[in-house]
Formats: sequence, C-alpha cells, structure tokens
Amino acid sequence: AQTVTQSQPEMSVQEAETVTLSCTYDTSENNYYLFWYKQPPSRQMILVIRQEAYKQQNATENRFSVNFQKAAKSFSLKISDSQLGDTAMYFCAFMNGSSNTGKLIFGQGTTLQVKP
Amino acid sequence: EPEVTQTPSHQVTQMGQEVILRCVPISNHLYFYWYRQILGQKVEFLVSFYNNEISEKSEIFDDQFSVERPDGSNFTLKIRSTKLEDSAMYFCASRMDRVINSPLHFGNGTRLTVT
Repeated sequence: AQTVTQSQPEMSVQEAETVTLSCTYDTSENNYYLFWYKQPPSRQMILVIRQEAYKQQNATENRFSVNFQKAAKSFSLKISDSQLGDTAMYFCAFMNGSSNTGKLIFGQGTTLQVKP
Repeated sequence: EPEVTQTPSHQVTQMGQEVILRCVPISNHLYFYWYRQILGQKVEFLVSFYNNEISEKSEIFDDQFSVERPDGSNFTLKIRSTKLEDSAMYFCASRMDRVINSPLHFGNGTRLTVT
C-alpha cells in the first residue's frame, strides 16, 4: 500500500522569504504522480503543482517549485517570495498511475503561516 | 470557471439519524469522489464512482455509507445511521478523466457535526 508522510505539522515564514515543505512517500509502483494541494481557511482544496514520476525535470508553477528525488522518494515544495495569501494548510498527495480510479492518497498536511 | 458545488455547507444531525450530503460535479466530468477530513487530520479517500457504479471504496466506506447519482447531475453521499465519529468535513470531487492531464476539482466541503 502507498503511504504519504509530511513530518512538519506547522511551519512559519516571513513575507517575501522562501520556505520548503517536506513530503516523503512509499510505493513499489514505478508509474505514479505526485501533487501538492493548498487548503486555505476557505476550506477548498486547490491544486498547486503536480509532477509525473517519469519526468526528471522538477515541476515549476510561478513561485512554486518542487524538488523531486525519486530514489529517495521525496517530494518537497518550495514557495519563493512568500505572500500572506499563501497562509494555508498544504497537502502532499500520491496517485498510482496504474489505478483505474485515479484516487489520491494524502499526507497529514502542513499548516503554513506567512507572517507580515 | 466551472466549479464543484456542495450543499449544505454545514449540517448538524443527531446520532442515529440519516444524512444526505449533496454535490453537483462539473457537468462534463465522468469520475466522482468523496473524501473526508476529520478536524485537524488528513484528507481520506472514501469512494470513487464511475459509469454509475462504485469503482473503489476504502475501509471507512462501510455498509452505513452509500452513494448515488440519481439524475445525471447530482452526486450524493448518504450515511444511514450517523455516529459521533462521522463528524468531519466531507469533500466531493470530480474529474473529466483519470489521466494526469485531468485534474481533480474539489468542492468547498460540507461540515457534518453529529451530536
């Protein structure tokens, strides 16, 4: 069975600085996808970034980038130039590429507080 | 942009009562999901639904739970006899296809409180 672990329950960062959120996962699959979701106080789950396991290049979306280390099964999220609106809970998620259902397995989440 | 909508936003019910949580997925989506999040904990998969049948369910999704797509637009989660431990945020989600280029869209959630 696949598992996703986020070892940092809470983090804080000063506005405009950079922060990295950690995520590790465990799987025996070779075909899979990884995601970071943001859950602001409004509660809606919003996709931040995604990574295909077969791609070596790290995904980037504006201020958000990942450090995907496949051998180490690590998938960290870097937020550059942090903004107050980045304050949210962040979930790392795994999807088995061979799955017929496309379900996501989530980590425990990291609460990020961006301080002015 | 099309959205997944869930109603109600907050539901309070007494233990032992039946509750139905409603969702309207995005209209051209084919895969539907329910997830739940107990306060302060991780988001857990409950069930996936495709082609008018359950395609996968978790251990949490026992006989007290059922899902239905009654009219081609709504997607409902029914809990037959609620327990205190069913108190959680329930998220509906949908996607057009299961492939990576079809992202999962979540609703805003329904907070269920069982007293």
